[in-house]
Amino acid sequence: DADVTQTPRNRITKTGKRIMLECSQTKGHDRMYWYRQDPGLGLRLIYYSFDVKDINKGEISDGYSVSRQAQAKFSLSLESAIPNQTALYFCATSLTVPPAGSYYNEQFFGPGTRLTVL
Amino acid sequence: DAKTTQPTSMDCAEGRAANLPCNHSTISGNEYVYWYRQIHSQGPQYIIHGLKNNETNEMASLIITEDRKSSTLILPHATLRDTAVYYCIVRVPTMIKAAGNKLTFGGGTRVLVKP
Repeated sequence: DADVTQTPRNRITKTGKRIMLECSQTKGHDRMYWYRQDPGLGLRLIYYSFDVKDINKGEISDGYSVSRQAQAKFSLSLESAIPNQTALYFCATSLTVPPAGSYYNEQFFGPGTRLTVL
Repeated sequence: DAKTTQPTSMDCAEGRAANLPCNHSTISGNEYVYWYRQIHSQGPQYIIHGLKNNETNEMASLIITEDRKSSTLILPHATLRDTAVYYCIVRVPTMIKAAGNKLTFGGGTRVLVKP
């Protein structure tokens, strides 16, 4: 869905480097999420944000930090990347109160960032 | 959120209906059934959701049994572009901020649509 964009799409980095993954959305949604996906493990939530001043840890937040610079932007940082952070990372958005007739609590996902830490 | 059980994989002929089952025997009264799919290396895509009535939209139909312990996602005329992993999720949709509203994806069903 082009309304949620992620940059970069692919990144190879070395252990110990600081990495930032960016997510932008034009959907006007207030909630944003960062997930990681590993083979056989499904999606796991890293951080989520209800609005610019409301950020919360997910189930696997250790080693990650986030910044909600504006309602439309949510960045994920790996302060010191390690090999087991190699994964596919997805950003998602949703509305707290969806408009009448729309899908309730539907989340819209970005195309993903494939991160490899050597 | 209630646990779901889906077959690991299934094949379907192009142009035929694909029926994807999901068991959710521990579903509670306020939990909805959601279906998402993920085409290879793309972000998950919402398909449909329902509580107890059967639902239909432009993508699929959702049939929920009367006891709500299982459901079936139906892709009426499968195309090659429907090849994906399909996830059945049972959860409470909520506007309550404390709930986090995260999605928990299990293993899903890998659907291969063949010409």
